[in-house]
Amino acid sequence: EVQLVESGGGLVQPGRSLRLSCAASGFTFGDYAMAWVRQPPGKGLEWVGFIRNKYDGTTEYAASVKGRFTISRDDSKGIAYLQMDSLKIEDTAVYFCTTSDLWGPGTLVTVSS
Amino acid sequence: SYELTQPPSVSVSPRQTARITCSGDALPNRYTYWYQQKPGQAPVLVIYKDTERPSGIPERFSGSSSGTTVTLTINGVRAEDEADYYCQSADSSGHWVFGGGTKLTVL
Repeated sequence: EVQLVESGGGLVQPGRSLRLSCAASGFTFGDYAMAWVRQPPGKGLEWVGFIRNKYDGTTEYAASVKGRFTISRDDSKGIAYLQMDSLKIEDTAVYFCTTSDLWGPGTLVTVSS
Repeated sequence: SYELTQPPSVSVSPRQTARITCSGDALPNRYTYWYQQKPGQAPVLVIYKDTERPSGIPERFSGSSSGTTVTLTINGVRAEDEADYYCQSADSSGHWVFGGGTKLTVL
């Protein structure tokens, strides 16, 4: 089955770190760029960043997370990662990984003391 | 920063036509993508590259573009089409930009 599944969300204190994973199956993962998109509770979609496919591997980030978040990928395992450091309360959201035409169900990250 | 503007809400009766617009200065030079999101679910791509429809998306969904405005049209709206709809494009750096979303209500 073609799918993406996120994991690693949870409750974390401000200033701490969290790493999300996005496991892909059913397609040639390395051929695709992988993006992370988040959605604060009751609000709209916000692009976080992406990593280009295995032939390039470069990354781009939204200004709101640049310098704090890092996206990486392991093409041998079919997994993309979102490393989130120096978390802020405003980072609270459901985080989705996506190829644009395929989305995972999302994982909730709550930043609170 | 680059912005995409959508109406907050659109209401339509069943079997009528819904049109959701998305405006942005760079849209003539960038592809636009449309996503449907129902409560508690992940977004679903319904239109890509302005006018293309992914496999499995009903033919009643279509996209068009004119100048700085792109439009998602849903012909013969059904109750199941009630959802939030987001347009998405990219700025000159390739960074994704989302519109604020439009809540489609089927009366």
